[in-house]
Amino acid sequence: NAGVTQTPKFQVLKTGQSMTLQCAQDMNHEYMSWYRQDPGMGLRLIHYSVGAGITDQGEVPNGYNVSRSTTEDFPLRLLSAAPSQTSVYFCASSYSRGGQNTEAFFGQGTRLTVV
Amino acid sequence: SQQGEEDPQALSIQEGENATMNCSYKTSINNLQWYRQNSGRGLVHLILIRSNEREKHSGRLRVTLDTSKKSSSLLITASRAADTASYFCATAERPYSGSARQLTFGSGTQLTVLP
Repeated sequence: NAGVTQTPKFQVLKTGQSMTLQCAQDMNHEYMSWYRQDPGMGLRLIHYSVGAGITDQGEVPNGYNVSRSTTEDFPLRLLSAAPSQTSVYFCASSYSRGGQNTEAFFGQGTRLTVV
Repeated sequence: SQQGEEDPQALSIQEGENATMNCSYKTSINNLQWYRQNSGRGLVHLILIRSNEREKHSGRLRVTLDTSKKSSSLLITASRAADTASYFCATAERPYSGSARQLTFGSGTQLTVLP
């Protein structure tokens, strides 16, 4: 049982480059989310999805795109990398029960540096 | 903006002592969750308390919730060096309409347990 798998674990980009962070879960969870974690800031929500074909913006969506074509996969695209996007990125999945979020399962994170 | 705010930001105790962390939040919630993060790793779910619950236990963990004060506390009893980690509270907002929104995290408490 792999849980939530993120790739790559580390990435260095040059300013202006684009890339896709991959996230896959094998628990058939409806909800998937992307967070970024910066020192002293906790986790901030970038984008989330409540099911295949449905995505919405979180607190800090600018510069990022997402899509959810399948239940399992939720890739995060950086359109034109900027140094301000240097961060650790976490993908999470969860299911809902009675309309409420239940416990979230997190991937191990992607440490991204933009130079 | 952050929904949950933990207090204190950092806590250092001796092994065997109890550790108490507090979380305050701003909006109406369906539930509140506590997570742990070891250095360089993803977050791991510890415990979930629903808005109609006041106290919950899980092993050495005790969580309280006061919805009138919009606050929660996490108590770790008989701490061990292995409890050294960052601890985050996360709230699941009660939406006015539509599906449940994603979790909103605080900035965390860094707990150090000295052997």
